[in-house]
Amino acid sequence: EVQLVESGGGLVQPGGSLRLSCAASGFIFSDHYMDWVRQAPGKGLEWVGRIRDKPNSYTTDYAASVKGRFTISRDDSRSSLYLQMNGLKTEDTAVYFCARFMRQAVAGRFWPYGMDVWGQGTTVSVSS
Amino acid sequence: QAGLTQPPSVSKGLRQTATLTCTGNSNNVGNHGADWLQQHQGHPPKLLSYRNNNRPSGISERFSASRSGDTASLTITGLQPEDEADYYCSTWDSSLSAVVFGGGTKLTVL
Repeated sequence: EVQLVESGGGLVQPGGSLRLSCAASGFIFSDHYMDWVRQAPGKGLEWVGRIRDKPNSYTTDYAASVKGRFTISRDDSRSSLYLQMNGLKTEDTAVYFCARFMRQAVAGRFWPYGMDVWGQGTTVSVSS
Repeated sequence: QAGLTQPPSVSKGLRQTATLTCTGNSNNVGNHGADWLQQHQGHPPKLLSYRNNNRPSGISERFSASRSGDTASLTITGLQPEDEADYYCSTWDSSLSAVVFGGGTKLTVL
């Protein structure tokens, strides 16, 4: 079964740090781009960032709201994705989801197939 | 960070057809198309459609998507009670080098 399981959420004070993990199973993790998406209480989805695969040098992109504070990394040997969050603010309070961004090679190029697998999410609360 | 524009709510009757819209610009929807996700309360999102009009396996044919210029649309035919959910569009934005989401549309099935 294809599955993503997030962990590491919790309560942290403003200015603090937290590291989220996402364990993948049921598919070849190293073949895929991976995203983090968050959802503040009662609000919509907000993209946090993406990490690409080894052929694409594990490059990352981030939302402007987290750039410079959050870092996405991955360990393909452990089929795991990470989100290091530093300098946390109250507005970072949210459920954090990891998601697989699917691509497939067709006729010599990769085509995007969307965020097709999602974890259940882990809750981060930033409060004093 | 600029996002995509979706109407906050849509209400339709049982077995009717609902069309949800998502408006962006030439840097996002106009160039890359849009994906659609469904989210029921307390659950993670679920991919309904990618790159405008492609359905992942297991998604009902009642869900179809399209794009015209900078606006993407999701049409749901034969509305069922279980279709009541929040619907989000998303895509890559070339000018931001970021994924952008719409604010979401809450679909109510009357």
